[in-house]
Amino acid sequence: ELKVEQNPLFLSMQEGKNYTIYCNYSTTSDRLYWYRQDPGKSLESLFVLLSNGAVKQEGRLMASLDTKARLSTLHITAAVHDLSATYFCAVDPLMEYGNKLVFGAGTILRVKS
Amino acid sequence: DTEVTQTPKHLVMGMTNKKSLKCEQHMGHRAMYWYKQKAKKPPELMFVYSYEKLSINESVPSRFSPECPNSSLLNLHLHALQPEDSALYLCASSLGLYSNQPQHFGDGTRLSIL
Repeated sequence: ELKVEQNPLFLSMQEGKNYTIYCNYSTTSDRLYWYRQDPGKSLESLFVLLSNGAVKQEGRLMASLDTKARLSTLHITAAVHDLSATYFCAVDPLMEYGNKLVFGAGTILRVKS
Repeated sequence: DTEVTQTPKHLVMGMTNKKSLKCEQHMGHRAMYWYKQKAKKPPELMFVYSYEKLSINESVPSRFSPECPNSSLLNLHLHALQPEDSALYLCASSLGLYSNQPQHFGDGTRLSIL
């Protein structure tokens, strides 16, 4: 059974600081997704990582994937208040019956002024 | 605004009621999903439809009954729910069952069982 672990589960950051969220998963996969969820809102797709060494950047967020280590990271540069949200990584275990996402527990990010 | 539309946004029902949740997308996606999300938890997959056929049922109790009348519409029929079924129910869609493109989520229906 695929397990996806995120850490930390809660992150309180000062504005302007850098930090990294980690996502480990237990079985082979080269499909990893990062989503953002604001309170009471839907999940918004941030990044799709589809191969070993993949790196994607959007604004202050950068995501990477190491399939050999079964690890993805979401790096936050110079945090701003607008980044406060819950961030989920999700892995597609590539089962024969298709696209089935297994989510990590989520990281609640709070950026303080 | 999301491209996956869910109605209603909020629903309060008693344990003996029958109600339905509705989800609609017009992106030409052929796979549609129902998830359940409890507070401060990740979404949990319930059902997957592909080309209007049920592909995955994650051992969901029979008081939840999904239906996919056409490629744009997905319903979730609810009957005799329990208080522990109170949650946010999210619908999602993707290009296809084996697509590597991300799933697109609706805003969800917040369900409360009295």
